[in-house]
Amino acid sequence: GQNIDQPTEMTATEGAIVQINCTYQTSGFNGLFWYQQHAGEAPTFLSYNVLDGLEEKGRFSSFLSRSKGYSYLLLKELQMKDSASYLCAVIGSNYQLIWGAGTKLIIKP
Amino acid sequence: GAVVSQHPSWVICKSGTSVKIECRSLDFQATTMFWYRQFPKQSLMLMATSNEGSKATYEQGVEKDKFLINHASLTLSTLTVTSAHPEDSSFYICSATPPEISYNEQFFGPGTRLTVL
Repeated sequence: GQNIDQPTEMTATEGAIVQINCTYQTSGFNGLFWYQQHAGEAPTFLSYNVLDGLEEKGRFSSFLSRSKGYSYLLLKELQMKDSASYLCAVIGSNYQLIWGAGTKLIIKP
Repeated sequence: GAVVSQHPSWVICKSGTSVKIECRSLDFQATTMFWYRQFPKQSLMLMATSNEGSKATYEQGVEKDKFLINHASLTLSTLTVTSAHPEDSSFYICSATPPEISYNEQFFGPGTRLTVL
């Protein structure tokens, strides 16, 4: 079967750094996305990884290891507005997105 | 660019009625659009892939006669929830990918919150 695992919830402090992990087992792999979703809103794109390594974009970075079926999203200098759910999604062999359940990130002052 | 809109943003209806939700790509043509459903505190669940000019492809377990999808033009797909019941109350989101984007990034509409009384 196809499976994507993320922690259900994480808590971090404003100004700190947090790493959200995602592991996947899929029948194929054509890339991995991270999306941010605030409560009651649609997801918004954060990053896309298809090759191994780290992609940095401002305060957010995303890492991929295809051999380990593993990715993480790193958020630096956390702000209160970063409180949201973070969704990991993998493009499978048929080019459909397979979604993780999401990680709810709670930022405390 | 790559803006997707949905209408209505929210709707409340009585059990047994039908509700139509529209999804529009505002600045690009989308031969394919996707319809998702999301229950509270759960992830997105793909319901169906809407294909312009042809029948939609439904995911396993999604009743095609209950969730009617019409993709009549390159910028509009509609989802009709027929004979809605309280268990159909959910957040419905559509998405599409502009043809010029080589990878599969999906741009999401703002979602429609359906409440069936």
